[in-house]
Amino acid sequence: NAGVTQTPKFQVLKTGQSMTLQCAQDMNHEYMSWYRQDPGMGLRLIHYSVGAGITDQGEVPNGYNVSRSTTEDFPLRLLSAAPSQTSVYFCASSYSEMNTEAFFGQGTRLTVV
Amino acid sequence: AQTVTQSQPEMSVQEAETVTLSCTYDTSESDYYLFWYKQPPSRQMILVIRQEAYKQQNATENRFSVNFQKAAKSFSLKISDSQLGDAAMYFCAYRRTRSNYKLTFGKGTLLTVNP
Repeated sequence: NAGVTQTPKFQVLKTGQSMTLQCAQDMNHEYMSWYRQDPGMGLRLIHYSVGAGITDQGEVPNGYNVSRSTTEDFPLRLLSAAPSQTSVYFCASSYSEMNTEAFFGQGTRLTVV
Repeated sequence: AQTVTQSQPEMSVQEAETVTLSCTYDTSESDYYLFWYKQPPSRQMILVIRQEAYKQQNATENRFSVNFQKAAKSFSLKISDSQLGDAAMYFCAYRRTRSNYKLTFGKGTLLTVNP
């Protein structure tokens, strides 16, 4: 049971490049979310999904796209990377029942130069 | 919108001593969950303890306990018998009931444990 797997763990991009951060979970969780962590800011919600084919914006969605074609996968796309997107990105998943907790991946450290 | 405030950017404690990390939150909801997460240098987010708002009894997990004051919207974490492995960033977090996909985090408190 791998839990929540994020790839890559580290990435350096040039301004204007695009890339996809991968997130996969093997727990059959309905809910999946992407957060970014910046120094002194805690974690902030970028996008989330409550099931395959259903996504919505979080607190800081600009510059990011998501899709959820399967229950297992929830990729985060940076369309045109900017230095302001330098951050650590976390994917999380959970069951929909209210008394369950979120499982986090180990994060992706992204640097945009 | 819900907000979570951690007023202590950094704290330090002597090994074997007790330390309390503060957290306040703002919400108009009556049903919700509160959490403390630990983030060591490995970056992994580790759930330390959680509290359901409808429960009056404070949650306890071994050396970790909370002081939940619902009326005051306060949720502090007490770490007893501090160990070197407790050194980490600690985040307080909130979510509404049935909103497992949306956690609201505080900015974190960096805890140092001195030998």
